[in-house]
Amino acid sequence: SQKIEQNSEALNIQEGKTATLTCNYTNYSPAYLQWYRQDPGRGPVFLLLIRENEKEKRKERLKVTFDTTLKQSLFHITASQPADSATYLCALERGSTLGRLYFGRGTQLTVWP
Amino acid sequence: EPEVTQTPSHQVTQMGQEVILRCVPISNHLYFYWYRQILGQKVEFLVSFYNNEISEKSEIFDDQFSVERPDGSNFTLKIRSTKLEDSAMYFCASKAGGVADTQYFGPGTRLTVL
Repeated sequence: SQKIEQNSEALNIQEGKTATLTCNYTNYSPAYLQWYRQDPGRGPVFLLLIRENEKEKRKERLKVTFDTTLKQSLFHITASQPADSATYLCALERGSTLGRLYFGRGTQLTVWP
Repeated sequence: EPEVTQTPSHQVTQMGQEVILRCVPISNHLYFYWYRQILGQKVEFLVSFYNNEISEKSEIFDDQFSVERPDGSNFTLKIRSTKLEDSAMYFCASKAGGVADTQYFGPGTRLTVL
């Protein structure tokens, strides 16, 4: 079965620094890898999607990389702000139109002033 | 901006009772999903639904679970006889279609089984 590991359960950084979160996967190679944000008691909110043939994707202060050789994705938030504090989830999709997502447990990011 | 809505936000029930969780997906979406998240654990896929039938289900989605799209707007998850271990947040999601389309999640229903 698909296994997804996110590097740590919690990450604490100072405002203005870059947060880097890691997602490693085993077994099947995903066609798409997605990152979501989840606030306490709320549903996941989509942030970025990267395809297996893409190396990097950016959106404002967010950047995602995808290395299919290492089976790893890195998620960066530059110029982090306290409002970025949340749990960030990595999710894999295996490329069928059915769209089943396999989620990691998430990394809880805290940005302190 | 269109969003997925879910009701109720919190449901408390006795073990053995039936519950129905309701979702209104985004109106032009074609694919519908239920996920659950036990407190402190990862989000887990339950079932996907397309073209008025189940397209995939996980090992969690046993005979106690069923889904229905009774009309053009609602999408429901029924648990026939709840167990203590069914206590979790249940999320509905929908997407327009096509590979790599974004899945939009609802705010969730917190189910507590006593």
